[in-house]
Amino acid sequence: EAQVTQNPRYLITVTGKKLTVTCSQNMNHEYMSWYRQDPGLGLRQIYYSMNVEVTDKGDVPEGYKVSRKEKRNFPLILESPSPNQTSLYFCASSSRDRYNEQFFGPGTRLTVL
Amino acid sequence: GDSVTQMEGPVTLSEEAFLTINCTYTATGYPSLFWYVQYPGEGLQLLLKATKADDKGSNKGFEATYRKETTSFHLEKGSVQVSDSAVYFCALSDSSASKIIFGSGTRLSIRP
Repeated sequence: EAQVTQNPRYLITVTGKKLTVTCSQNMNHEYMSWYRQDPGLGLRQIYYSMNVEVTDKGDVPEGYKVSRKEKRNFPLILESPSPNQTSLYFCASSSRDRYNEQFFGPGTRLTVL
Repeated sequence: GDSVTQMEGPVTLSEEAFLTINCTYTATGYPSLFWYVQYPGEGLQLLLKATKADDKGSNKGFEATYRKETTSFHLEKGSVQVSDSAVYFCALSDSSASKIIFGSGTRLSIRP
């Protein structure tokens, strides 16, 4: 089954404790992206990657890191989480020539205390 | 910069009612337009799209027409069902930017 998986689905942590949210896709997609969803703001792009070893900032990259060492994986790293990073996070992927038809993961709800 | 504006929700309708969710956009180029849907507890799914002016996208009984003259892409459905309850996002993409810009979403609730 074609899918995007994220782990964990739910996470409660404390300020400053480094965490990683994993994202994996099995569709051989070149393009992957991370979004955060906040009430009234819709989805905002954090980082995206056009292919292996190629990453770029989205609209709200501050406080986040990503890496793309393999085509299927695109982890999101919060080196020192803060309460304003409490949000619902989505990973998405698509083929390079249809980047705007994205497949989304189920989401990760993060709470930073 | 490019942006998308959606009608505020929540929208509550009775089953079999007619649905319209308004969406307008601002873009400097010639974007493609999309509606994505998010069912409770899930990620977004592409519902329909239109890539040029006057194109009509359709799927699952939903329709939207790309209106360049009014910069709009309103979502419509003739007879909604309880299973249509979800959050609907209007979005645009510009090939030069390699990104999608989403609206803030409209929550739709359908009463039996």
